[in-house]
Amino acid sequence: DAKTTQPTSMDCAEGRAANLPCNHSTISGNEYVYWYRQIHSQGPQYIIHGLKNNETNEMASLIITEDRKSSTLILPHATLRDTAVYYCIVRDTGFQKLVFGTGTRLLVSP
Amino acid sequence: DTAVSQTPKYLVTQMGNDKSIKCEQNLGHDTMYWYKQDSKKFLKIMFSYNNKELIINETVPNRFSPKSPDKAHLNLHINSLELGDSAVYFCASSRSVESAGELFFGEGSRLTVL
Repeated sequence: DAKTTQPTSMDCAEGRAANLPCNHSTISGNEYVYWYRQIHSQGPQYIIHGLKNNETNEMASLIITEDRKSSTLILPHATLRDTAVYYCIVRDTGFQKLVFGTGTRLLVSP
Repeated sequence: DTAVSQTPKYLVTQMGNDKSIKCEQNLGHDTMYWYKQDSKKFLKIMFSYNNKELIINETVPNRFSPKSPDKAHLNLHINSLELGDSAVYFCASSRSVESAGELFFGEGSRLTVL
């Protein structure tokens, strides 16, 4: 079962930052936070992951609160091509699989 | 040069038939997966293989039989297809079992059973 809670949907204006929240209040010390997205009719795409420090790559930034009970994925300048379902997933390092929840449907509009 | 490729992309067939979906990855990864995404868009893991060895079997009906001839290939054969098997099937790979959080997915194979 998914261990995360995400809003069902969000809207964002093109060019603005998209901030996608995720609640994982039962996260344990060995569990990482992963973010994926799935653009319509495509396979899911890995975005970023982190344990406790904030992380940034060419796609996005991940901000994890100090108590690790929630995180935010930031797309700094959203484009229309960022319209997708975004999945926040918690996974223990020893766990052999990734369990997807229902995600947040992000709609980026002109 | 596609990293994880699946064939066919679309498959329409009658109930009771047997069909196969093939997956190949050219990333040199050790671990491969099959996920199923149903009409409600839930994405669920079905199987995982590590170096040709089955390591995850998520209580999938035994009409579904995965086969990994080598670590670059993972095929899915489905016998006696049922209406409920209609879904998009995604193949994925990861560098290792330990890297199971960083998956590379194929584009999916949409199976429609009539």
